[in-house]
Amino acid sequence: QVQLVESGGGLAKPGGSLRLSCAGSGFIFGDYYMSWIRQAPGKGLEWLSYISHTGTTTYYADSVMGRFTISRDNANNLLYLQMDSLRVEDTAVYYCARDQAGAAYWGQGTLVTVSS
Amino acid sequence: DIQVTQSPPSLSASLGDRVTITCRASESINNYLNWYQQKPGKAPKLLIHVASKLQGGVPSRFTGSGSGTDFTLTITSLQPEDSATYYCQQSYSAPYTFGQGTKLQIK
Repeated sequence: QVQLVESGGGLAKPGGSLRLSCAGSGFIFGDYYMSWIRQAPGKGLEWLSYISHTGTTTYYADSVMGRFTISRDNANNLLYLQMDSLRVEDTAVYYCARDQAGAAYWGQGTLVTVSS
Repeated sequence: DIQVTQSPPSLSASLGDRVTITCRASESINNYLNWYQQKPGKAPKLLIHVASKLQGGVPSRFTGSGSGTDFTLTITSLQPEDSATYYCQQSYSAPYTFGQGTKLQIK
């Protein structure tokens, strides 16, 4: 069955960095676009970024453009989100999902807390 | 960017009732509208994609309709397990924006 498992969340200071990972299994990882979505505590969903199946095309929401970088390693079925210049408002649960939108498969989420 | 406005922000209904949640896009998105259900502490679950196609395993009491800019999610014969927050998302053009969410409480 399709599984997505995020890791790498934790506490970071404002201006700091974190790298999130998402391990996919149960499907041919390299055949699918992948995306990241986040949800601040008590708030709604915010779509952040997608990457094409080959990794050659990426897209970012304005809120993270220039600070976050999405990438993938198809040989090891891994999706990444490198988060730099973190801000307090980046505090959220971060989800990876299969496909750009209309995603039927999501990970369980990993919590990122940005605080001094 | 396409804005998606969802209403109402919350609603309360009784078991067996029929409820409707609406989503309006700031420009035409054809039928590229998805609906999700999210329960506390869980990832969202896709209910309906491309406006009206029910995802596998989703009960038929969930119905989506609309095209262009106006869309609805209708839930008939409300069940206790339908208590959740519902989100719409446009998948017409990136960034694939979500609505603000509708929290449904079952009385």
